[in-house]
Amino acid sequence: DIQMTQSPSFLSASVGDRVTINCKASQNINKYLDWYQQKHGEAPKLLIYNTNNLQTGIPSRFSGSGSGTDYTLTISSLQPEDVATYFCLQHSSRLTFGSGTKLEIK
Amino acid sequence: QVKLLQSGAALVKPGASVKMSCKASGYTFTDYWVSWVKQSHGKSLEWIGEIYPNSGATNFNEKFKGKATLTVDKSTSTAYMELSRLTSEDSAIYYCTRWGLSLDYWGQGVMVTVSS
Repeated sequence: DIQMTQSPSFLSASVGDRVTINCKASQNINKYLDWYQQKHGEAPKLLIYNTNNLQTGIPSRFSGSGSGTDYTLTISSLQPEDVATYFCLQHSSRLTFGSGTKLEIK
Repeated sequence: QVKLLQSGAALVKPGASVKMSCKASGYTFTDYWVSWVKQSHGKSLEWIGEIYPNSGATNFNEKFKGKATLTVDKSTSTAYMELSRLTSEDSAIYYCTRWGLSLDYWGQGVMVTVSS
């Protein structure tokens, strides 16, 4: 099974900051990596699919990059509404989620 | 628009089973895989398995084989998941999701509490 190691677990940043969240796969996942945002009490929402494709309706301040085993979600300018937990998901072999990053405003 | 409407919260006794539903609307139900995802309190997400409504084909996370049974009713565009031999470890929120570009649409979740 492919394991996903997500970091950091917690992140506190100021409005306007550039924020990065990382996921590392236990083997090459060929860019089959997606990112989700989960706000408190809500279902997860797809942000980015296949490493760098922005889902319809998602603000352009969200972007993704990576290849092989290492992937990154970037928020270019943090907004108050971005407070949430973020998860990565690999779908190269079955589906495995990262452990999540809780993002708060400093 | 695409919607996945799940059944309500359930309180069940240890050792019992629970069956939950996920009614799809706004798209052709038989064209997309439906996945189920578990979220234990304060924890991450686990993929349970998936079903293709057109054929009934299923794939499972090994961890949930024997625990989860996935079925569909094409006539009502509804997917079902039954969890058996429940323990406290099964207390969680369970989501149904559609596999489009990824897990692109999610139900609102069903909270299952296992308690005597």
